[in-house]
Amino acid sequence: KNEVEQSPQNLTAQEGEFITINCSYSVGISALHWLQQHPGGGIVSLFMLSSGKKKHGRLIATINIQEKHSSLHITASHPRDSAVYICAVDNFNKFYFGSGTKLNVKP
Amino acid sequence: DADVTQTPRNRITKTGKRIMLECSQTKGHDRMYWYRQDPGLGLRLIYYSFDVKDINKGEISDGYSVSRQAQAKFSLSLESAIPNQTALYFCATSDMGRGRAGELFFGEGSRLTVL
Repeated sequence: KNEVEQSPQNLTAQEGEFITINCSYSVGISALHWLQQHPGGGIVSLFMLSSGKKKHGRLIATINIQEKHSSLHITASHPRDSAVYICAVDNFNKFYFGSGTKLNVKP
Repeated sequence: DADVTQTPRNRITKTGKRIMLECSQTKGHDRMYWYRQDPGLGLRLIYYSFDVKDINKGEISDGYSVSRQAQAKFSLSLESAIPNQTALYFCATSDMGRGRAGELFFGEGSRLTVL
């Protein structure tokens, strides 16, 4: 049983397209994180949110606590957005991770 | 300098060898984690520590041990490496307090190959 489910697993888009990645979870959380992992390995935190919506540049993250669902949106996608995006939930004492969404944005 | 530093970044070793992966952080966080990443499986928790005297097993601790030498240092050891421990290993830290969420910071990963 996976506590965190992401969809889609793979996503190919053309430059400029609007992209949505979804995350559903089944455990209680104090916060949800969206992470980005570029080829070569390093993982960086994009957002931490516990309610509502956050925006950084072209990235927008939303969460619906009642529905246990979060989305990550990328507006005007660019090839440099190509990466694996990982949803992680903070279950008070530990984190649970989705298996990631591999995004490829073509020029 | 990176907030979370892992060494070595890459290591190739043979079955049966003892391997240590080291992690140090400058964030001043109490909470430190070791994760393993395999293709298609996401990040899986090996061990975690909430302070120097508090070490906890994660979901895949068999074959691994850890040491929290100081607040800033958390080492992962493979006492006798085996090929299915070939993976990308990440150290992470968090300033999450009890009942309060905190950000996650990751090291750049240690790629281990066991032949």
